[in-house]
Amino acid sequence: GAGVSQSPRYKVAKRGQDVALRCDPISGHVSLFWYQQALGQGPEFLTYFQNEAQLDKSGLPSDRFFAERPEGSVSTLKIQRTQQEDSAVYLCASSLERANYGYTFGSGTRLTVV
Amino acid sequence: GQQVMQIPQYQHVQEGEDFTTYCNSSTTLSNIQWYKQRPGGHPVFLIQLVKSGEVKKQKRLTFQFGEAKKNSSLHITATQTTDVGTYFCAGPRTGGFKTIFGAGTRLFVKA
Repeated sequence: GAGVSQSPRYKVAKRGQDVALRCDPISGHVSLFWYQQALGQGPEFLTYFQNEAQLDKSGLPSDRFFAERPEGSVSTLKIQRTQQEDSAVYLCASSLERANYGYTFGSGTRLTVV
Repeated sequence: GQQVMQIPQYQHVQEGEDFTTYCNSSTTLSNIQWYKQRPGGHPVFLIQLVKSGEVKKQKRLTFQFGEAKKNSSLHITATQTTDVGTYFCAGPRTGGFKTIFGAGTRLFVKA
């Protein structure tokens, strides 16, 4: 597609509920990243994929967070048993090749846990 | 751990005034990236600087990478209301895949 697409745009979850956030990167982009952005803060790294391989998951806050990209294109970030502190905007970004070049970000999913 | 810091946190300017935001890394960076995020929007990549002492211009925006590759600046000449937003610098973590973002400088422009 023309850009990075994320869905849903907004998600309200009850505490304890599981959620799944989808990212559809730019076609052909090898690198895919998930970032978490709290209000008024910069994006915080969660995880990185190169094609289908998850090469870095050091930013995932707990084992309740899980990400996958099984066919090297669409990625899903899953959060189990959501907590209020998980409320944030989750941004997906992709890059054509290298990990450390300018990313194209999606519009994000705003998750609110109530 | 490795950190990227930005100052100021906020800047209010009158339209037509200049604006500068500064970025400092705790470690030497292989490159520095700048992004702009409009209110309610997502970060949009502006530019990447790679060489020591590099200066790049995009219309009214001037980006600079320090000689030691640990600091950078973004200068906007004659701000316009369309410049409103948060400007982030970001740099790659040494030996890893992730890019570390600063907390951003939020620019307010009064017409």
